[in-house]
Amino acid sequence: EDQVTQSPEALRLQEGESSSLNCSYTVSGLRGLFWYRQDPGKGPEFLFTLYSAGEEKEKERLKATLTKKESFLHITAPKPEDSATYLCAVQERSGGSNYKLTFGKGTLLTVNP
Amino acid sequence: SAVISQKPSRDICQRGTSLTIQCQVDSQVTMMFWYRQQPGQSLTLIATANQGSEATYESGFVIDKFPISRPNLTFSTLTVSNMSPEDSSIYLCSVEVSYEQYFGPGTRLTVT
Repeated sequence: EDQVTQSPEALRLQEGESSSLNCSYTVSGLRGLFWYRQDPGKGPEFLFTLYSAGEEKEKERLKATLTKKESFLHITAPKPEDSATYLCAVQERSGGSNYKLTFGKGTLLTVNP
Repeated sequence: SAVISQKPSRDICQRGTSLTIQCQVDSQVTMMFWYRQQPGQSLTLIATANQGSEATYESGFVIDKFPISRPNLTFSTLTVSNMSPEDSSIYLCSVEVSYEQYFGPGTRLTVT
């Protein structure tokens, strides 16, 4: 069965203090790995999809990388507005539910000014 | 991308009643999905809804409890039937566009 584990569960940073969030996964065939940002009371906001090991994508202060077993979301010089829960999800290549996303529990990021 | 709206945004319902949640997308999409996010838990897929066919339910979810309609390529409804306090959750509609999945704002349901 697919499993997605995110660490740490919570991370508190000072403004400007760079760090990384981890998402490890086990899936028989990866179709895609997704990163989302979720603010309190809102739906997940799409950030990135990664499809193959070695792939990297960037958006402002965020950079996502992918290996065969895990993905990292690097946050460079974060600002207080980057505070949110970051969710990782995997999509398996084959099976009855080709489009199903299996989510981790998320990392709650707090950036203090 | 896609812009998704949901109605209602939140509701408080009595045990034993039913609530229908609407999902509207600003473009035609083949696949629509319904997820549940229970307090402190990760998102879980309830079912996949294709236009013109019956919804496909994930293990642990049944049509009698969560009937879904998909009358056209921009709209879907999810009904939570015979509600109990355990159904208190955020219900989210999602669509896939060019291999990317986008989510609506969610419907926060509280069952008393």
